[in-house]
Amino acid sequence: QSALTQPRSVSGSPGQSVTISCTGSGSDIGGHNYVSWYQQHPGQAPKLLIYDVNMRPSGVPDRFSGSKSGNTASLTISGLRAEDEADYCCCSYSGSYTWVFGGGTKLTVL
Amino acid sequence: EVQLVESGGGLVQPGRSLRLSCAASGFTFDDYAMHWVRQVPGKGLEWVSGISWNGNSIGYADSVKGRFTISRDNAKNSLSLQMNSLRAEDMALYYCAKAERDAFALWGQGTMVTVSS
Repeated sequence: QSALTQPRSVSGSPGQSVTISCTGSGSDIGGHNYVSWYQQHPGQAPKLLIYDVNMRPSGVPDRFSGSKSGNTASLTISGLRAEDEADYCCCSYSGSYTWVFGGGTKLTVL
Repeated sequence: EVQLVESGGGLVQPGRSLRLSCAASGFTFDDYAMHWVRQVPGKGLEWVSGISWNGNSIGYADSVKGRFTISRDNAKNSLSLQMNSLRAEDMALYYCAKAERDAFALWGQGTMVTVSS
């Protein structure tokens, strides 16, 4: 159960797009289509943004999109806004009723 | 209102035990799997344990296996985490989370566990 690998930080200007990667292994991301992404603002609980690799819960703007290729999943945020500045974390099912999170990525909106 | 409320956190000495609880309301509790996720302040999220809607499937992170026990009482809309042999590295904010489609769709505000002598 090794944590998924994410960049520690990314940044972008308002209106731009950014992509956050999340790399695992064939036991987690590569072996299952159960990748989810979470947004967490300081002092708040995480919020679900993406589930099942690329599905958005109701209420999540379509500026947020997810994808997967092999053992790497990605979250893309288009049309960056100031309020998108937060921590983003990926998660994957890793078999035998266990899950694993990534280390988290801090997004800075310049 | 749909919500999860954790309780039971506090200061505990290394090697001692603590029991966390999570009270669910506003949804049909026994329709959903439930999980515990922890976060050291300023650090990332770590999945701790999960239990299926009927308790037939249970999983633990390697870091807590053999020391923590998850359980649920569907009649009381309640989730619990019994934590034994606590270590300094267990110190964290513990979240209760409701699962939908193998993702954590609803989170509580967390309860803080501090392990220190």
